[in-house]
Amino acid sequence: QVQLQESGPGLVKPSETLSLTCTVSGGSISSYYWSWIRQPPGKGLEWIAYIYSTGSANYNPSLKSRVTISVDTSKNQFSLKLSSVTAADTAVYYCARHVGGGAGAYDYWGQGTLVTVSS
Amino acid sequence: DIVMTQTPLSSPVTLGQPASISCRSSQSLVHSSGNTYLTWFQQRPGQPPRLLIYKISNRFSGVPDRFSGSGAGTDFTLKISRVEAEDVGVYYCMQGTHSPITFGQGTRLEIK
Repeated sequence: QVQLQESGPGLVKPSETLSLTCTVSGGSISSYYWSWIRQPPGKGLEWIAYIYSTGSANYNPSLKSRVTISVDTSKNQFSLKLSSVTAADTAVYYCARHVGGGAGAYDYWGQGTLVTVSS
Repeated sequence: DIVMTQTPLSSPVTLGQPASISCRSSQSLVHSSGNTYLTWFQQRPGQPPRLLIYKISNRFSGVPDRFSGSGAGTDFTLKISRVEAEDVGVYYCMQGTHSPITFGQGTRLEIK
């Protein structure tokens, strides 16, 4: 059974960089696409970016200037960095696996981690 | 960006009765590959979304057969044949055909 676990600071100061890692267990990160998705408290879902196991990435244009996604196949992990954060970036951040390519659905999700942007 | 519009936003349903959620996209979701990447998720309170239906009508492993998806082009529907208490939550449609991936605003299913 594939499991995903997000990790990283739960509190980030405004203007700083949010950094999260997703660790994949129970399966290989290779040959799949992996996404970061976020959900502000009480609101809907927003796709941030995805990456293929080879490192090829695609970003949401609304966040592209501030986002970097990377993958470390040796550790079975992929990561997110979001720079210059503001209160609007406060959200539960999920990592998820695509099934059927980068356009495909998400079959496995992490439990999510709440990141609050506040001084 | 492709706008995904769900109706209704809230759906009170009696246990054992059917429920239906509509999702309309601002452009056709038919991909150049011929596939239509329209997905439905269920999100229970405090939980991550759970995959229900992919590519319009394919039920994911372990999803009860009371859930079904249909549609084509820009209009899609999720149906629950007989609502059970465990179906309470928020339902989202998502399109992956066009980048960026976008979600509907969600439909809250509640029991009357």
